[in-house]
Amino acid sequence: SQTIHQWPATLVQPVGSPLSLECTVEGTSNPNLYWYRQAAGRGLQLLFYSVGIGQISSEVPQNLSASRPQDRQFILSSKKLLLSDSGFYLCAWSGGRETKNIQYFGAGTRLSVL
Amino acid sequence: SQKIEQNSEALNIQEGKTATLTCNYTNYSPAYLQWYRQDPGRGPVFLLLIRENEKEKRKERLKVTFDTTLKQSLFHITASQPADSATYLCALDMRTGGFKTIFGAGTRLFVKA
Repeated sequence: SQTIHQWPATLVQPVGSPLSLECTVEGTSNPNLYWYRQAAGRGLQLLFYSVGIGQISSEVPQNLSASRPQDRQFILSSKKLLLSDSGFYLCAWSGGRETKNIQYFGAGTRLSVL
Repeated sequence: SQKIEQNSEALNIQEGKTATLTCNYTNYSPAYLQWYRQDPGRGPVFLLLIRENEKEKRKERLKVTFDTTLKQSLFHITASQPADSATYLCALDMRTGGFKTIFGAGTRLFVKA
């Protein structure tokens, strides 16, 4: 069966420090991968999605970047964190339109920038 | 502008009753509509998907309706239990535009014993 791993679960970082969040998927090949951010009481904001290795689409111009160095690995990065980067970050995968784009989420990373 | 609206106020109901949550959207033409459950501090979990040409879909105690004329979906939980307490998100899967799914902010449901 397919599983998705996302770490760390919690992260506290100072303003101006770098960020690297990693997400890996097991049990499937060529998944579509997503990074979302969720502010308290708000919906999921799509940050990046990827349909293949090295293919990244950015939805919101911001202080963050994403990379997909391997088929089942998706990384969210920042060179210098801002206070406004605090939030709950979620990685997800889907099988694409054949599976009606149902998304399967990781457990999330709670990021606090201080 | 495009919007997905879910009731931002929490829904409080008594155990055993039917919970009904609403999802309204404007200026979208979704191919599918999905419902997810999210527990505090966790990622959303997929529950049900309904296509634009389907009026109703059921799964155990869950029922979803989809009215593309009203641009509305209703999500029902029958015989609700305290364990059903969570936030429920609706999501629209666009007909075109790649693989984007647009999520609503969710409605928090509390089921009292």
